[in-house]
This record gives sequence, structure tokens and C-alpha cells, in this order.
Amino acid sequence: EVQLVESGGDLVQPGGSLRLSCAASGFTFNHYKMHWVRQAPGKGLDWISYISSSGGTIDYADSVKGRFTISRDNTKKSLYLEMNSLRVEDTAVYYCARIVEMATNNGDGVNWFDPWGQGTLVTVSS
Amino acid sequence: DIQMTQSPSSLAASVGDRVTITCRASQSISSSLNWYQQKPGKAPKLLIYAASSLQSGVPSRFSGSGSGTDFTLTISSLQPEDFATYYCQQSYRTPRTFGHGTKVEIK
Repeated sequence: EVQLVESGGDLVQPGGSLRLSCAASGFTFNHYKMHWVRQAPGKGLDWISYISSSGGTIDYADSVKGRFTISRDNTKKSLYLEMNSLRVEDTAVYYCARIVEMATNNGDGVNWFDPWGQGTLVTVSS
Repeated sequence: DIQMTQSPSSLAASVGDRVTITCRASQSISSSLNWYQQKPGKAPKLLIYAASSLQSGVPSRFSGSGSGTDFTLTISSLQPEDFATYYCQQSYRTPRTFGHGTKVEIK
């Protein structure tokens, strides 16, 4: 079974740090690009970070750039999100998600998030 | 960034009803549109990818259509387990962006 399991969520004070982990199983982890997506309480889904299969290409949403660091350890089949200078507005459930890609006739290609982990809650509050 | 606008933001329907949710992109995204279902306290689940392809294991009452800027998710006969929030997401350009969701509630 293809599965992603996040951990590391906690209550932290503003300005604090936290490291999230995402353990993958059931698929060849080092073949896939991975992402982090978050969801503030009662709100919608926001993409926050991406890492290529090798770890050589990384991208961030403007809202977390300079504060969050994505990484992966393919030997451990794990994805990480190091979060520093946390703000109240970073309070959310954080999901890791695998990207599945498919080539198309027009050359654009398509891709989608599947599966998602169950999520881990990060609460930033004093 | 590409903005995704879903409508309606919520709807109330009965079991057996046909339900249609629309998603509009702020620029053409070809067929790079995915639909997810999310139930309270759970992770999103992929329903439709590439605008109209049904994910394996998803009931055939779900269907997707559209290309360019306008897309539709249709549930042909609403079942009790379909009451949830539905999100569209574009995968044409980074950053990947989501619609704000459509909550389907029981009438």
C-alpha cells in the first residue's frame, strides 16, 4: 500500500522552530517529487514547498520563503520540513503529498497530488 | 499566480441529486486540472486528474469535464458518503494553486 505518514507537529511559541517528517512506504520514494501543503483551521489548501526526486530542485511559496527548508533522505524514504521563525499565521495542518506525473500528446504533461499523508497539526501560539 | 475560482462555495443537496461544481482558472491551463474530496479531519483524496480522468477506485458517479479556463465536477447521483468539501487544483504552472472549496451539505 502506498502510504505517507507525517509526524512532528506540536504547539510552539511565535518565533520558534519545528521539524516535520514524512515517512513514505509502498513505492520507490527516490523516483518521485514531493510537496508540502498546509491547511489553516477552517480554511482551504495552500501549497508551500516542493522538492525534486534527487533533492536538487526546491521551491517555496512566498509566505514561507527564507523561513522554511524542505529536504529529503532517499535512503530513509523520508521527507522533511524545517520551520523557523514561526508565526501565528503558520498554524495549520501540514500534509506531505507525492506528485504523480503523466506525459500527454501535446507535450505539456499533467500531474497531481496522490497520495496525501494524514497530516500533522502545527499550532503557533503564546 | 493562477487564481482558481470555485462556485458555489457551498450547496445543500439530497441523496440521489445530481450535483455540479464549477472551477474557473484566471488563465488557460489546458487540461491541467485536478479535483479532490476532503472529509472533516481527513486528508484530501484525489477524485479526478487531468480534468476528466477518473482515479482508480473512485465511483463512476463522479465525472469531470472542461479545458482551458472552465471546468466542471459532476456527481450524477449523490450518495451519503459524498457529503464533503471538494477542491479543484491547477497543475499547469507553479505555484500549484487550489480553489477555495465547495462544501456539499445535506438538505
